[in-house]
Amino acid sequence: ILNVEQSPQSLHVQEGDSTNFTCSFPSSNFYALHWYRWETAKSPEALFVMTLNGDEKKKGRISATLNTKEGYSYLYIKGSQPEDSATYLCAFGAGNNRKLIWGLGTSLAVNP
Amino acid sequence: GAGVSQSPSNKVTEKGKDVELRCDPISGHTALYWYRQSLGQGLEFLIYFQGNSAPDKSGLPSDRFSAERTGGSVSTLTIQRTQQEDSAVYLCASSKTGTGVYNEQFFGPGTRLTVL
Repeated sequence: ILNVEQSPQSLHVQEGDSTNFTCSFPSSNFYALHWYRWETAKSPEALFVMTLNGDEKKKGRISATLNTKEGYSYLYIKGSQPEDSATYLCAFGAGNNRKLIWGLGTSLAVNP
Repeated sequence: GAGVSQSPSNKVTEKGKDVELRCDPISGHTALYWYRQSLGQGLEFLIYFQGNSAPDKSGLPSDRFSAERTGGSVSTLTIQRTQQEDSAVYLCASSKTGTGVYNEQFFGPGTRLTVL
């Protein structure tokens, strides 16, 4: 059974804090790892699609790393802002034509 | 350009009634996905389409659920004889080419279904 786990389940930080959370996935038959941000009352929005071991991607204050050998990815947010408050989802793709397996997400609340 | 749209945004129905949920993907996107999120749960895959065909229907929870896609564009998810456990947010997403896991998915705003 393919399982994707995200931790922590929820996180509260103060504005300006940097934070990170984890996505764990099976290390075998890896094809891709996706990160999405889902703000309340909006649609999930893709942040990164990562495919290579050692990949590091960055978008503004948000960055992600990927370790396919040990089966984890970290998402980092530098200098959190209230607008970063959202649920961050990761999804694992095993095999190019298989569906993504989604984690339950990390809910981030940034207090002003 | 226009994103993925879904209608209705909210649907309240009585147990036992049938409902139809609609998804308009981004123009030119060949792959279309249906998910649902029940309260306190993660995204649950229901079905995907490549063009008008559905290679993987494994996520449909029961035979009360069906979906179709016409013209490689609009898709309809139909739930017959709705039950209270069908209450959830139903999300549609599309991606550019194929069903490869390399392609990012673009999500619609969802339909919140409440079965009384």
